[in-house]
Amino acid sequence: AQTVTQSQPEMSVQEAETVTLSCTYDTSESDYYLFWYKQPPSRQMILVIRQEAYKQQNATENRFSVNFQKAAKSFSLKISDSQLGDAAMYFCAYVFSGTYKYIFGTGTRLKVLA
Amino acid sequence: EPEVTQTPSHQVTQMGQEVILRCVPISNHLYFYWYRQILGQKVEFLVSFYNNEISEKSEIFDDQFSVERPDGSNFTLKIRSTKLEDSAMYFCASSPFTASSGANVLTFGAGSRLTVL
Repeated sequence: AQTVTQSQPEMSVQEAETVTLSCTYDTSESDYYLFWYKQPPSRQMILVIRQEAYKQQNATENRFSVNFQKAAKSFSLKISDSQLGDAAMYFCAYVFSGTYKYIFGTGTRLKVLA
Repeated sequence: EPEVTQTPSHQVTQMGQEVILRCVPISNHLYFYWYRQILGQKVEFLVSFYNNEISEKSEIFDDQFSVERPDGSNFTLKIRSTKLEDSAMYFCASSPFTASSGANVLTFGAGSRLTVL
């Protein structure tokens, strides 16, 4: 069965600094997608970044980038130049291509300190 | 930017009562989903819905749960006889793509918090 593990329940980062959130997953599939979603206090989950497993190049979206290590089944999120608005719960998610069932991790609460 | 809207934002109910949670997906989306998040736990898949029928469901989605798209815009989740363990945040989501054309990027609603007493 596929699983997603986020081992850091909570992280803190100083404003303008860089932070990395960890995510590991387990799957026997080769064609899948990985996501980071952000859930701010308003509760709506927002897509931060997406990675296709068949792509070797790490995805980037402005200040957000991932370190995708397929062999190690690791998918970490790096947030550069952290801003107060980045404070939220961050969920890592996996979906096998051809299905609709996202598998989520337990989340990492990120605090940004002024 | 288009949004998925959910009502109510919070509902308190007595055990054994029926509850209907409502969602308005993004208008041109084809796939609809319900997920739930018990407090402090991970977000869990409940059900996906396409072309007016369930396409996939989890073991959580038992006979007490049902989904419906009654009028072409709303997408509802009904819990027939609520139990204490149904207390959770319920998230509706929608996506435009078919699974075969790539990853379904889900757009989530803000959630409906259900409290069963």
